[in-house]
Amino acid sequence: QVQLQESGPGLVKSSETLSLTCAVSGASVSSPNYFWSWFRQPPGKGLEWIGYIFYGGSTNYNPSLKSRVTISVDRSKNHFSLKLSSVTAADTAVYYCARGLSGSSSPPTDYWGQGTLVTVSS
Amino acid sequence: DIQLTQSPSTLSASVGDRVTIACRASQNIYSWLAWYQQKPGKAPKLLIYKASSLESGVPSRFSGSGSGTEFTLTISSLQPDDFATYYCQQYNSYFSFGQGTRLDIK
Repeated sequence: QVQLQESGPGLVKSSETLSLTCAVSGASVSSPNYFWSWFRQPPGKGLEWIGYIFYGGSTNYNPSLKSRVTISVDRSKNHFSLKLSSVTAADTAVYYCARGLSGSSSPPTDYWGQGTLVTVSS
Repeated sequence: DIQLTQSPSTLSASVGDRVTIACRASQNIYSWLAWYQQKPGKAPKLLIYKASSLESGVPSRFSGSGSGTEFTLTISSLQPDDFATYYCQQYNSYFSFGQGTRLDIK
């Protein structure tokens, strides 16, 4: 059974860097069959894509966040991570990690983590 | 950036009703569209991908159609478990989401 679990500080100070990790079980972050995404959802609002990373390490980021985002993979720990720098109150959100399936006829995501709330304080 | 516009933003319906949610893309996304259901405090759940492919385990009362810039999600006979918020997502160029449609009990 595939499971994803987000972890990291629930409170981050304004102007600092938000760091989250997504631990993956039941699948390998090194497999060419998958890619790994981060999303977020501010309280009471809609979903926003942050970025994704492919098994080879290449990344794509939301242009609106690109200058502040880094997504990386740690194959030895079978997890992937998100760093978002220079945070403000607008970055307060529930952050989700998710798995995507490579292949033209595959869905963009199948398994998601439960989400973790990160609050940016002044 | 590809913008997705869902309509309506809120929909009130009764158990047994047939409901349709629309999603319009700002440019041609072919069939690279997915639909998700989200309940409060939970992660989104994939329902439909590639515009009309039903995800494994999703009830057949859910269906998707469309291509290009116009898409629809249809629930043929609403069940109590279906009252939730629905999002469309394009994956033709990176990812982006519609603003969501909240489906309420009438």
